[in-house]
Amino acid sequence: QKEVEQNSGPLSVPEGAIASLNCTYSDRGSQSFFWYRQYSGKSPELIMFIYSNGDKEDGRFTAQLNKASQYVSLLIRDSQPSDSATYLCAVNSGYNNNDMRFGAGTRLTVKP
Amino acid sequence: KAGVTQTPRYLIKTRGQQVTLSCSPISGHRSVSWYQQTPGQGLQFLFEYFSETQRNKGNFPGRFSGRQFSNSRSEMNVSTLELGDSALYLCASSADGQLAYGYTFGSGTRLTVV
Repeated sequence: QKEVEQNSGPLSVPEGAIASLNCTYSDRGSQSFFWYRQYSGKSPELIMFIYSNGDKEDGRFTAQLNKASQYVSLLIRDSQPSDSATYLCAVNSGYNNNDMRFGAGTRLTVKP
Repeated sequence: KAGVTQTPRYLIKTRGQQVTLSCSPISGHRSVSWYQQTPGQGLQFLFEYFSETQRNKGNFPGRFSGRQFSNSRSEMNVSTLELGDSALYLCASSADGQLAYGYTFGSGTRLTVV
C-alpha cells in the first residue's frame, strides 16, 4: 500500500511567520511530488511540484525534497491570512501511468 | 482557456440508485483522473484514463466504473448507491501521461445519498 502521511495539524502561525508543512511517503519508487492548496468549499489547486532532491523556490513558497529520507516539505515565508487553507501533499509513484496519492492534508491558519 | 468542467455540481440520490458524473478536461489534456473526497478519508484515487484506456484503478468496489471518450471527456458511474458513497467527486486532468506538471481539478460534484 502506497502511503502519504502529513503532519495532522491544525497548524496556526502568526501573520508574517514561516509556516512549515511536512510529508512522508512510503514508495521509494516515487517520481514526482506536489503540493496543492485547498480552500474550504473549493477544489485543490496546484502550488508547486518538485522532482529532484533539494529546494525549489517560487515566490514565498519553497518545496524541499529528500528522497533518501522519503520526505517532502513546503515552507511558506511571510505567511498571510490568505494562505489559510488545507495543504495537500501528493506523490506520483507511477512512471508511465498515473498513481497519484494524496495525504490527508494539513489545515493551516494564519492569524492577523 | 476553459478549465476542467464537471457536471452536475450537486446531486441527491436514493440508496440503491445509480448515478453518472461527467467531466470535460482542459482542451488538449488526454489524462483524466477521478477522486473521491470525504472528511474522514481525504482524497481517494478512483481511476485514471489516458487516450480512452484505463491505466490505473484504486481500491474501490466494482460498483464504481468509468470510461473516457475519444474527445477525452470522461464519465464515472456508481451503481447501487450506498449511504457511504456520499462525497465530493473530483475530476482532474493533466496534459501529459506522466503527470509531470500535476493536475488541474474541476469544481467537483457533490453527491448526497439518502
